[in-house]
Amino acid sequence: DAMVIQNPRYQVTQFGKPVTLSCSQTLNHNVMYWYQQKSSQAPKLLFHYYDKDFNNEADTPDNFQSRRPNTSFCFLDIRSPGLGDAAMYLCATSRPGQVNEQFFGPGTRLTVL
Amino acid sequence: GENVEQHPSTLSVQEGDSAVIKCTYSDSASNYFPWYKQELGKRPQLIIDIRSNVGEKKDQRIAVTLNKTAKHFSLHITETQPEDSAVYFCAASREYSSASKIIFGSGTRLSIRP
Repeated sequence: DAMVIQNPRYQVTQFGKPVTLSCSQTLNHNVMYWYQQKSSQAPKLLFHYYDKDFNNEADTPDNFQSRRPNTSFCFLDIRSPGLGDAAMYLCATSRPGQVNEQFFGPGTRLTVL
Repeated sequence: GENVEQHPSTLSVQEGDSAVIKCTYSDSASNYFPWYKQELGKRPQLIIDIRSNVGEKKDQRIAVTLNKTAKHFSLHITETQPEDSAVYFCAASREYSSASKIIFGSGTRLSIRP
């Protein structure tokens, strides 16, 4: 089945220890997004890619970086996680143009000790 | 930029009654309005959406209305059931050629009382 896959589903890291979250998709969608969602809040867009074009949100901290080596994969790197970075991280994809529907992955829940 | 306000933040209704969640948006160029349902610990799931060229759309017990002039849109759930309990997010989006960003409302936690 075509889908958006995120690995790992649960990630525990230590304060300041770099961590990488991954997302892959079989939908062949041009656009991929990374969101941060904290408890009881709406998803907050960190950045998105249109193909290889990277679009950073103005308020995304420098601590967060992303890579998209090909259409199918996208990575979120947190260089020095702080306690405030503990959250659910959601990857999503969409086709550009007429249809704006976003397809979300199951998310990675990040715990920072 | 676009701003989406959502009310109420929490809503409790008796099973079988109707639930209404309301949103307003600020960007008059927004033309796509999805609604997402998110159960605890799960991903947001698109449940219904509406485009700016229609005023109402219905799918079984769920309906969405859009008032472009007032920049309001609402979600209506009739004959509520326990499985409707979740957090619901409205969103607004403006299509453009390169990519689309959706702006979420702050969410409504809906609880269905048995």
